[in-house]
Amino acid sequence: KAGVTQTPRYLIKTRGQQVTLSCSPISGHRSVSWYQQTPGQGLQFLFEYFSETQRNKGNFPGRFSGRQFSNSRSEMNVSTLELGDSALYLCASSFGTEVSGANVLTFGAGSRLTVL
Amino acid sequence: AQSVAQPEDQVNVAEGNPLTVKCTYSVSGNPYLFWYVQYPNRGLQFLLKYITGDNLVKGSYGFEAEFNKSQTSFHLKKPSALVSDSALYFCASGGFQKLVFGTGTRLLVSP
Repeated sequence: KAGVTQTPRYLIKTRGQQVTLSCSPISGHRSVSWYQQTPGQGLQFLFEYFSETQRNKGNFPGRFSGRQFSNSRSEMNVSTLELGDSALYLCASSFGTEVSGANVLTFGAGSRLTVL
Repeated sequence: AQSVAQPEDQVNVAEGNPLTVKCTYSVSGNPYLFWYVQYPNRGLQFLLKYITGDNLVKGSYGFEAEFNKSQTSFHLKKPSALVSDSALYFCASGGFQKLVFGTGTRLLVSP
């Protein structure tokens, strides 16, 4: 079956711009999570959505936002980009119905954002 | 708060030798622990998880992990390393609808 698809795979933006990243989960998965991966901070949780509702949010500024659509596809948006937002943004999906914390996540290949 | 620690930035092992990648955890309550692997320019791939039950968990590609409650450890092991096992390995703890990752350990398997 098809895996988690993230688009675009690579993008370059300049400071102050905004960016929207897209994630299509595995068919049947209703939970979508987003993570930021940087060399300095490692893998950090951004937010998780289940059936269009945000169930948890990480410690990121309000410039980072997300949403989930009725078909479980998700988007995340970063406004007013800063140099420090350069990172690999990973999306992951799961059924989301196991005991909280026990869900196995399937990750996409990521969207690599470079901010100049 | 929950956290996991991977004390080694890099582990070097010769092909055919056993490998161990270390992870310790700090979790209140029952821990849900995972190992994921990341290959270059790829997302993370699930290897195995511990929820409850047997302390020795078997996973994909011949990997296994031993849960040790007294030492709060969850080390990843493989009896015989392959060059193709070279990658970045992450230990993680399951929290409320999220994973908390360790800093990662780069495994290099030499021919």
